[in-house]
Amino acid sequence: DAGITQSPRYKITETGRQVTLMCHQTWSHSYMFWYRQDLGHGLRLIYYSAAADITDKGEVPDGYVVSRSKTENFPLTLESATRSQTSVYFCATLGISGYYEQYFGPGTRLTVT
Amino acid sequence: GENVEQHPSTLSVQEGDSAVIKCTYSDSASNYFPWYKQELGKRPQLIIDIRSNVGEKKDQRIAVTLNKTAKHFSLHITETQPEDSAVYFCAASLINDYKLSFGAGTTVTVRA
Repeated sequence: DAGITQSPRYKITETGRQVTLMCHQTWSHSYMFWYRQDLGHGLRLIYYSAAADITDKGEVPDGYVVSRSKTENFPLTLESATRSQTSVYFCATLGISGYYEQYFGPGTRLTVT
Repeated sequence: GENVEQHPSTLSVQEGDSAVIKCTYSDSASNYFPWYKQELGKRPQLIIDIRSNVGEKKDQRIAVTLNKTAKHFSLHITETQPEDSAVYFCAASLINDYKLSFGAGTTVTVRA
């Protein structure tokens, strides 16, 4: 589990502020994902990346920006935070080895006031 | 896109009894169906998965069944124990697409 970390673990910010959530993996897995978890909705995919410099939208990308300049890092930025973005954010990785388990990070609890 | 519905949303069982969670999916092309378990305050972790070329898969007290015709799959937990108390999520995707669509989750409580 220590192979994937997220920071910060908890964050409180104000509406309109820019916030960046960090995700770092030590496995060199090709794929990385960002999900948000809200009660009643399960986990919803925000963005994903198949490799460095390759990113694509998921189910709920509006209001978020991602980048992936290095294989091990996949930051998620909320350009102008809104209250509806209050959620728990999980980063996950997937290695292409014929085994499809996604490994989740510990999560970041974000509150937008 | 894929839509996954999960039922029930909460499930309370007596220790030692069985628990069954059911999911339906909308995209007939989906061919990979994992189940994740999330304990309170923890990250989701894969407990079992099934591919569409298999109808049933077992791992100790956990089993998953898949009905492709009806587009539904189920998680069965036998001889439930207190440590089975958690939120369980089903998901679906195309196996080489890797984008999982999750159900809303089932909170399972095992009563001692």
